[in-house]
Amino acid sequence: DQQVKQNSPSLSVQEGRISILNCDYTNSMFDYFLWYKKYPAEGPTFLISISSIKDKNEDGRFTVFLNKSAKHLSLHIVPSQPGDSAVYFCAAARIGGGFKTIFGAGTRLFVKA
Amino acid sequence: DTAVSQTPKYLVTQMGNDKSIKCEQNLGHDTMYWYKQDSKKFLKIMFSYNNKELIINETVPNRFSPKSPDKAHLNLHINSLELGDSAVYFCASSEGGDTQYFGPGTRLTVL
Repeated sequence: DQQVKQNSPSLSVQEGRISILNCDYTNSMFDYFLWYKKYPAEGPTFLISISSIKDKNEDGRFTVFLNKSAKHLSLHIVPSQPGDSAVYFCAAARIGGGFKTIFGAGTRLFVKA
Repeated sequence: DTAVSQTPKYLVTQMGNDKSIKCEQNLGHDTMYWYKQDSKKFLKIMFSYNNKELIINETVPNRFSPKSPDKAHLNLHINSLELGDSAVYFCASSEGGDTQYFGPGTRLTVL
């Protein structure tokens, strides 16, 4: 049972344009959401997070939007750069839920120069 | 300085063998994790230790046994390896349930 779903396995975007990566979750108990970025042969690295009391969190070129009623979050990267090409994992957790984080299957982003 | 390190990076072994993967973190975190990334690329949590105490133990065959000698180390021992154990195994650490820092992964291939 996939509680966190990333339905697009890959996304290709032109350099300078906006990249939008989507994520849906099914468990309404999740109250903390994270995005991780992963390069080949490396472990995932934390990118940005949002708690359920917010609907937007911004960090430089990266913005995460949360729509709790739709159980949907998205990661916007603008402007996209070739170095952003990586696999992006969406993750969800419940604060106080025993440290368990559920990851999506990832979306591979290609940013073309 | 590597924050979360795993050894070995690659492990190729025969079915039926027993092998261990080691993980160390120098971040001073109190919680460590083992994840398995299977062929479908899902990152699935296997175990988590908080202050050397097992707090998450997902539905994992009991051939897999984690051991945490201290807060900075979490090793994974696998008995009687099977073909289906082939995957990339990631160790991670965090302070409490906060953001997790991942190791580089260990690619296990069982022949």
